[in-house]
Amino acid sequence: AQSVTQLDSQVPVFEEAPVELRCNYSSSVSVYLFWYVQYPNQGLQLLLKYLSGSTLVKGINGFEAEFNKSQTSFHLRKPSVHISDTAEYFCAVSEDSWGKLQFGAGTQVVVTP
Amino acid sequence: DAGVTQSPTHLIKTRGQQVTLRCSPKSGHDTVSWYQQALGQGPQFIFQYYEEEERQRGNFPDRFSGHQFPNYSSELNVNALLLGDSALYLCASSFGSLNTGELFFGEGSRLTVL
Repeated sequence: AQSVTQLDSQVPVFEEAPVELRCNYSSSVSVYLFWYVQYPNQGLQLLLKYLSGSTLVKGINGFEAEFNKSQTSFHLRKPSVHISDTAEYFCAVSEDSWGKLQFGAGTQVVVTP
Repeated sequence: DAGVTQSPTHLIKTRGQQVTLRCSPKSGHDTVSWYQQALGQGPQFIFQYYEEEERQRGNFPDRFSGHQFPNYSSELNVNALLLGDSALYLCASSFGSLNTGELFFGEGSRLTVL
């Protein structure tokens, strides 16, 4: 069975500093990988996804993630954060292409001036 | 273009009652998935509907049931409510596979069971 571990429950970061959110997964088959963002009282918005091909994936709002098959990781990065990046971030995996996603517990990013 | 809409946005029920949550998918989408997000946790997959049939199901008891209508809208029903059913229920819609499309999430229905 697949599982997803987000290694940090909360990440405080100063505005314009870089941030990295860590995600590890376990699965016995090839997977699809996703990062979603959730702002307060809102649904989830897709930041980026890895399906196949290049291991470096670029998403919206300046985020990018790197798939590392040997380490079963999919870490999310942004070189310079803004106050508006304050939100909850979820890593998710799927063993099929139809939308049955397994989510991690989330990482709360708090950006301060 | 309206995205995924869910109703009601908030509701309070007591233990043992039944609840129905509704979801209208994004225009052009034919697949609806439901997720439960307990406080402080990530969403958990409940089930997915396609062509009015349950295509996939997560690890949830039979108290959780659903339906998809010919216009692709969907309902989630939960019977015999427990305190532990208190959560944000998210609906997501899609068209085709995730190879070519993506899941769009609604803002959720927050259920409180007293």
